[in-house]
Amino acid sequence: AQKVTQAQTEISVVEKEDVTLDCVYETRDTTYYLFWYKQPPSGELVFLIRRNSFDEQNEISGRYSWNFQKSTSSFNFTITASQVVDSAVYFCALDSSGAGSYQLTFGKGTKLSVIP
Amino acid sequence: DAGVIQSPRHEVTEMGQEVTLRCKPISGHDYLFWYRQTMMRGLELLIYFNNNVPIDDSGMPEDRFSAKMPNASFSTLKIQPSEPRDSAVYFCASSPTGTTYNEQFFGPGTRLTVL
Repeated sequence: AQKVTQAQTEISVVEKEDVTLDCVYETRDTTYYLFWYKQPPSGELVFLIRRNSFDEQNEISGRYSWNFQKSTSSFNFTITASQVVDSAVYFCALDSSGAGSYQLTFGKGTKLSVIP
Repeated sequence: DAGVIQSPRHEVTEMGQEVTLRCKPISGHDYLFWYRQTMMRGLELLIYFNNNVPIDDSGMPEDRFSAKMPNASFSTLKIQPSEPRDSAVYFCASSPTGTTYNEQFFGPGTRLTVL
């Protein structure tokens, strides 16, 4: 069985602060994919990043960075110098049912509020 | 290119009525997914299709739910009869087949309210 845990239900930060969203996953598969999606107040789901289980390199994209650690089964997401536009619900997701079966298991999401 | 298109965006109906949600995937995408999002259960995969064929419908909650994909550019999710607990946001997503894993592109969702 696969499971994604986002222990932080809600986080509030003041603009320009850094914030890290935690994601812990469970799977017995050796090949799997991890994702982060953003859901702004408008409701749509926006893809942010995909990482496969064989690539533990951290990634940085502008103010966003991701820390993947297989040893702790974590795939954490950091926003540097947060902005009001970052306010959204962020979902971590896992696909571990084979090499790309496309069946995503989502965490419950972390609601981030950035206060001006 | 247009993204995934869903209609209607909002639907309000009374218990017992039939509800049909519609989805047009991104052209060229071979996979189509239906998800449901509620506060209690979060995002759940209901069913997905590959090349118009249903592959896994284990997430469909009850026989009241059915989904079809008559062609590569159209899918429906039907609830009959609807119940108040079906109130949720229903998302459709599509994804292309490729040599590398491709992410799912989500539509804007249909907010369903069953009174």
